Amino acid sequence: TQLLEQSPQFLSIQEGENLTVYCNSSSVFSSLQWYRQEPGEGPVLLVTVVTGGEVKKLKRLTFQFGDARKDSSLHITAAQPGDTGLYLCAALLMDSSYKLIFGSGTRLLVRP
Amino acid sequence: NAGVTQTPKFRVLKTGQSMTLLCAQDMNHEYMYWYRQDPGMGLRLIHYSVGEGTTAKGEVPDGYNVSRLKKQNFLLGLESAAPSQTSVYFCASSYKNFSPLHFGNGTRLTVT
Repeated sequence: TQLLEQSPQFLSIQEGENLTVYCNSSSVFSSLQWYRQEPGEGPVLLVTVVTGGEVKKLKRLTFQFGDARKDSSLHITAAQPGDTGLYLCAALLMDSSYKLIFGSGTRLLVRP
Repeated sequence: NAGVTQTPKFRVLKTGQSMTLLCAQDMNHEYMYWYRQDPGMGLRLIHYSVGEGTTAKGEVPDGYNVSRLKKQNFLLGLESAAPSQTSVYFCASSYKNFSPLHFGNGTRLTVT
């Protein structure tokens, strides 16, 4: 079973639409990161959220960390074809093991 | 600035063969990680290292061994490859615990 569940698994939308993807867990995390991965490349960090309830914005992307630090969301406004990719959340277990665990990812396709 | 370099980029092995994947980083990072990525599974942590001479098990360590003899290098070994180890392997490094991870571009391994 995946410690971090991401939904939806796949999303195909038209350019200009808005979307939200989710990252959920039954565990509490000290902090959470979001990455984007393009074909043939490694993931690239988008943002780190640390405080429960924190909201961060990166141009058209809005990231939120849940109050209980068990979940997070990524909202994209007016999606563009350049947003196409695999979105991954990653969280650090609060067991002092330094293990950074990734979710299964949401694959986004933005059609022109 | 090369960042994180993985070699080789592609490899095909027969069942039972052995091989070593090399990861090198030039950012003087303390932490290094090996992940495997399979369809629908996101990234799963195999082994990681929090400093030169140290290694620790991740989520899926069985069938793999690692070594961190030099700070800049992290080697992943498969002693007796199995078809279940067919995957894309990613190496990553970070400055400290939960700093942004910098990924290589992956090694695509096929075991027949």
